[in-house]
Amino acid sequence: EDKVVQSPLSLVVHEGDTVTLNCSYEVTNFRSLLWYKQEKKAPTFLFMLTSSGIEKKSGRLSSILDKKELFSILNITATQTGDSAVYLCAVEGNFGNEKLTFGTGTRLTIIP
Amino acid sequence: DVKVTQSSRYLVKRTGEKVFLECVQDMDHENMFWYRQDPGLGLRLIYFSYDVKMKEKGDIPEGYSVSREKKERFSLILESASTNQTSMYLCASSLQGHQETQYFGPGTRLLVL
Repeated sequence: EDKVVQSPLSLVVHEGDTVTLNCSYEVTNFRSLLWYKQEKKAPTFLFMLTSSGIEKKSGRLSSILDKKELFSILNITATQTGDSAVYLCAVEGNFGNEKLTFGTGTRLTIIP
Repeated sequence: DVKVTQSSRYLVKRTGEKVFLECVQDMDHENMFWYRQDPGLGLRLIYFSYDVKMKEKGDIPEGYSVSREKKERFSLILESASTNQTSMYLCASSLQGHQETQYFGPGTRLLVL
């Protein structure tokens, strides 16, 4: 059974701090790892990672995958209150039938 | 913009009732998904469909069924609602081969009394 574990479960930091969110996984026939941001409603897509060691970057957010150690990190620099959200990690495996397995999420709260 | 809509934002039902949750997408996506989201458990896949009349069980299909009679519509059915099915239900859709861009609906918060 595919498994995704995120840590920490919740994190509270001050505006301007840098945070690192962790995602480890066990999956049959890994194809990709995805990060989503969920504010009040539906998750919105951030990154898809398929190759080890290649950093994906979007503004203050970046993410990298380690397929040997089976984990990914999501970094957010110079955090802002608008970064407060639940960050979800998901993996696709199982011969690419496009089924995603999600982690429980990390709830990030940014204090002004 | 892709739009995924769900029939209700909030729903209150009684134990034993049959419940229909409807999801409609307007971008001609082949794949559609139903998840439930619970505190501490994250998003869990109930069922998904990759074509009309096709369905596959996800991780927690027990107590649920689905129907996909038209490409744009994917229904989740609770045959006999139980209190442990109180949850937030999220529908999503994606193009075949583009699972990274699953578009989610706004969710339906279901309370079963």
